Amino acid sequence: QVQVQESGPGLVKPSGTLSLTCSVSGASISSSSNYWVWIRQPPGKGLEWIGSIYYTGDTYYNPSLDSRITISVDTSRTQFSLRLSSVTAADTAVYFCAKSRDYVNVYDIWGQGTMVTVSS
Amino acid sequence: DIVMTQSPDSLAVSLGERATINCRSSQSVLYSSNNKNHLAWYQQKPGQPPKLLIYWASIRELGVPDRFSGSGSGTDFTLTISGLQAEDVAVYYCQQYYSTPQTFGQGTKVEVK
Repeated sequence: QVQVQESGPGLVKPSGTLSLTCSVSGASISSSSNYWVWIRQPPGKGLEWIGSIYYTGDTYYNPSLDSRITISVDTSRTQFSLRLSSVTAADTAVYFCAKSRDYVNVYDIWGQGTMVTVSS
Repeated sequence: DIVMTQSPDSLAVSLGERATINCRSSQSVLYSSNNKNHLAWYQQKPGQPPKLLIYWASIRELGVPDRFSGSGSGTDFTLTISGLQAEDVAVYYCQQYYSTPQTFGQGTKVEVK
């Protein structure tokens, strides 16, 4: 049974860097079948695609955030991470990690999400 | 970016009745190389992550009840719930995966009348 789970600080200071990790179990990040993605949702608002990573290490970022984002896979290949720099209050959101369905770039396995607040 | 616009923003439907949600994309999401519409639908209940319902515009995800159906092509799509159940109260989002960045509609809230 595939599961993903987000972890990281719930509070980040303005101008700081948001760092989150997604732990993957029951599936391999090294699989060529899937993309691994970060999506966020500001309180009471809709969904925003942040970016994704493929097993090759290729990354795809939302241009609106591109200069501030880094998505990477750790050497154990059981986790992938999000770093978002120069955060402001507008980055306050629930951050989800998710796995794509095999060979289709839609998301069938999601974490529960982690709330990140940007505040001093 | 492809802009996804859903209508209505909210609707109230009696139990057992049909709910229809529309989604329009600012450009076609029909990919000519595979002749498939790169359009998905998700359901999100309060405090939960989104749940995949439909992909390729009309393919139901495993385990999704058959009262949920998707239709449409090109730029206009519909999610239909045939016979609303109490557990279907949620916000529904369409998503295009035709191009990066992937984008979502603003959401449609479905309630029981």
